[in-house]
Amino acid sequence: AQTVTQSQPEMSVQEAETVTLSCTYDTSESNYYLFWYKQPPSRQMILVIRQEAYKQQNATENRFSVNFQKAAKSFSLKISDSQLGDTAMYFCAFTTYSGAGSYQLTFGKGTKLSVIP
Amino acid sequence: EAQVTQNPRYLITVTGKKLTVTCSQNMNHEYMSWYRQDPGLGLRQIYYSMNVEVTDKGDVPEGYKVSRKEKRNFPLILESPSPNQTSLYFCASSPATRTEETQYFGPGTRLLVL
Repeated sequence: AQTVTQSQPEMSVQEAETVTLSCTYDTSESNYYLFWYKQPPSRQMILVIRQEAYKQQNATENRFSVNFQKAAKSFSLKISDSQLGDTAMYFCAFTTYSGAGSYQLTFGKGTKLSVIP
Repeated sequence: EAQVTQNPRYLITVTGKKLTVTCSQNMNHEYMSWYRQDPGLGLRQIYYSMNVEVTDKGDVPEGYKVSRKEKRNFPLILESPSPNQTSLYFCASSPATRTEETQYFGPGTRLLVL
């Protein structure tokens, strides 16, 4: 069974500072994909960043970057220069592609991030 | 504009009254899925569909039905809703290829079953 664990239910950060959200996962598959989704108060699910497990280079998207440690099954999200608009629930998610029709996205329980002015 | 749409966005109903939540995508995606989100539990998959006429159960399928008669539509059916199905529901779609796995989400449907 695939599992995703986010150990920090809530976090806060001062505006303009850097914060790191942690995520660990468990799978026996070798080919998989990892995502961070953001859910602001509007409840919309917004893709922040994605990482293919076969790529060793960590993904970056503007102020967002990941630290992907495949051996440790760890996938943390770093937000630099935090902005008030970053206040949201952040979900780590994970999927595999079997090619045989089984394709399931498994989510962690989320980390609520508050950016303080 | 590429998007996933859901209707209705908000729904209040009573126990046992059948309801359907529609989901439509205009991106020609093969894969579609339904999730429910509950406080402290994250998102859990209800059903998914790899392509037309092919559906399969996710983690929490009890009490729900789906159908995929057309590529773009994937309605979620609650034949006899119960209060424990009060939740926030998301539909999602994806190309589901080896190079593009990202799931794109609809705006959500908030359901209250009295």
